[in-house]
Amino acid sequence: AQSVSQHNHHVILSEAASLELGCNYSYGGTVNLFWYVQYPGQHLQLLLKYFSGDPLVKGIKGFEAEFIKSKFSFNLRKPSVQWSDTAEYFCAVNAMDRDDKIIFGKGTRLHILP
Amino acid sequence: DSGVTQTPKHLITATGQRVTLRCSPRSGDLSVYWYQQSLDQGLQFLIQYYNGEERAKGNILERFSAQQFPDLHSELNLSSLELGDSALYFCASSPTGRLDTQYFGPGTRLTVL
Repeated sequence: AQSVSQHNHHVILSEAASLELGCNYSYGGTVNLFWYVQYPGQHLQLLLKYFSGDPLVKGIKGFEAEFIKSKFSFNLRKPSVQWSDTAEYFCAVNAMDRDDKIIFGKGTRLHILP
Repeated sequence: DSGVTQTPKHLITATGQRVTLRCSPRSGDLSVYWYQQSLDQGLQFLIQYYNGEERAKGNILERFSAQQFPDLHSELNLSSLELGDSALYFCASSPTGRLDTQYFGPGTRLTVL
């Protein structure tokens, strides 16, 4: 069965620190990959997505993610975080040649200290 | 504001009861997805409807059912409620039947006492 692992459940950083949130999935076929963010009290919204092409994907608010097929990974990065990045981040995977189900990771709570 | 609306925002009910959650997708979106978010299970995909037809099924219990109406709004029916059904239920919509960017609603928080 497909699964998505987000290794860090809770991350605390100071402003201006660099961020990398891990995401690994278990599926050997073609995948679509997503990162969603949920700011406190708000709905989930898309940060970035990978469907094909350049494995380095740039999203909103200075976030980027790199798809490394050989490692089944899609880690999220930001060179310098801000207090406003405090949120919960979800990685999600869709196995394209299977069905339209999307599997979400359990999320990583990011807390940025001012 | 994603353009997806969900009602009610909060729902408190007792075990054994039945509730209906409502979702209106963004204008023009044909697909509606339902998710359950709980502390222990995380965000779980329940079911997807596309243009009125069931398209994909996830971890949806038999006590739960959903439908999408001709005007494309959707309802999630939860019956014989148990304490463990307490969760945040999200609806999302997307333009087509193929999985692409989903636009999430604000969610309905269900508390079963």
